[in-house]
Amino acid sequence: NAGVTQTPKFQVLKTGQSMTLQCAQDMNHEYMSWYRQDPGMGLRLIHYSVGAGITDQGEVPNGYNVSRSTTEDFPLRLLSAAPSQTSVYFCASGRAFSYEQYFGPGTRLTVT
Amino acid sequence: EDKVVQSPLSLVVHEGDTVTLNCSYEVTNFRSLLWYKQEKKAPTFLFMLTSSGIEKKSGRLSSILDKKELFSILNITATQTGDSAIYLCAVTSGNTGKLIFGQGTTLQVKP
Repeated sequence: NAGVTQTPKFQVLKTGQSMTLQCAQDMNHEYMSWYRQDPGMGLRLIHYSVGAGITDQGEVPNGYNVSRSTTEDFPLRLLSAAPSQTSVYFCASGRAFSYEQYFGPGTRLTVT
Repeated sequence: EDKVVQSPLSLVVHEGDTVTLNCSYEVTNFRSLLWYKQEKKAPTFLFMLTSSGIEKKSGRLSSILDKKELFSILNITATQTGDSAIYLCAVTSGNTGKLIFGQGTTLQVKP
């Protein structure tokens, strides 16, 4: 099993550009989530999904869109990048009702 | 609003010391509390606690939950330089798989 994979590992964007961060898991987990990590702020939940076709907002959803068309994939779209979105982004997955989540390696995004 | 607060935010100790990291929470519909260790990459799972008063142990690390007082502690005995990391506390609320994280405690263990 590859676990949770994320691409790309690093990305630099200009303000106003759009892009999609990819996340995939091969563990057949129902739950998938996106977090961003900024210094001194722990991890903050952006969007999450409890199954294919079902998504909901977390603490900091503005400027991001998600969709979950399959169990395996949960892409995060930045619609119009802003410098405030410079961060490290983690995708995580977990089994329903198990509460433990497994994290991907992260994507470091810089918006100039 | 759901909230998780960790203390201290940073800590510097010497090898062999014992450290205690704190995590307090206020969440509706509490389900579990989790501890993660993060060393310059993705967080890795340490413990999950759901019942009050039951200690979880793994080697030199142990953790306990107090659901009445809404806090948990993570103890590390005989610290080693390899314990240097950010320790993250997170709480699940409801059955959605959402994790609400604290700010993290940065631990530095000096030789």
